[in-house]
Amino acid sequence: AQKVTQAQTEISVVEKEDVTLDCVYETRDTTYYLFWYKQPPSGELVFLIRRNSFDEQNEISGRYSWNFQKSTSSFNFTITASQVVDSAVYFCALISDSSYKLIFGSGTRLLVRP
Amino acid sequence: DTGVSQNPRHKITKRGQNVTFRCDPISEHNRLYWYRQTLGQGPEFLTYFQNEAQLEKSRLLSDRFSAERPKGSFSTLEIQRTEQGDSAMYLCASSGTGEQDQETQYFGPGTRLLVL
Repeated sequence: AQKVTQAQTEISVVEKEDVTLDCVYETRDTTYYLFWYKQPPSGELVFLIRRNSFDEQNEISGRYSWNFQKSTSSFNFTITASQVVDSAVYFCALISDSSYKLIFGSGTRLLVRP
Repeated sequence: DTGVSQNPRHKITKRGQNVTFRCDPISEHNRLYWYRQTLGQGPEFLTYFQNEAQLEKSRLLSDRFSAERPKGSFSTLEIQRTEQGDSAMYLCASSGTGEQDQETQYFGPGTRLLVL
């Protein structure tokens, strides 16, 4: 069975603080892909990043960075110097190479206070 | 470059009525997906099309739900005899067949359904 766990239901930080969103996944497949999506109050899911199971390099994109560790089945997301516009619900998701079905975690609501 | 569009954005209906939602995928994408999201949860997969063929359906898709994708372009999701438990956000996504985009699903803004 495949599963994605986002243990942090809600995080509140003050603007300019760094924040890390945790994601732990379970799968028996050797080839799979991990994703992060952002869902602002408008409701649309915005794609942020995709990682395949063979690429454990960490990635940085502006204030965003991702840490993929197969040894702990984790794919954590860090926002550096958070801004109010980062306030949203963030979802981690998993898809195996043998399926087209995204498996989502329950999401982490991030509130960045000015 | 237009993204995935969905109509209507909001729908309020009375229990027992039928509703239909439409999704227009990104134009060059041949794969289309429907998900349902209830409050406080992540989206859950409902069904998937490759071109006009419906290839996978979740057990969540009861016999009151039907989805179509005629001609492999836009898709419709119909719910018959709606129940209050059908109240949710219905999300549509599409993906292409290029090597980079095969597994990246791009989502539309969703249709929020409220059944009274």
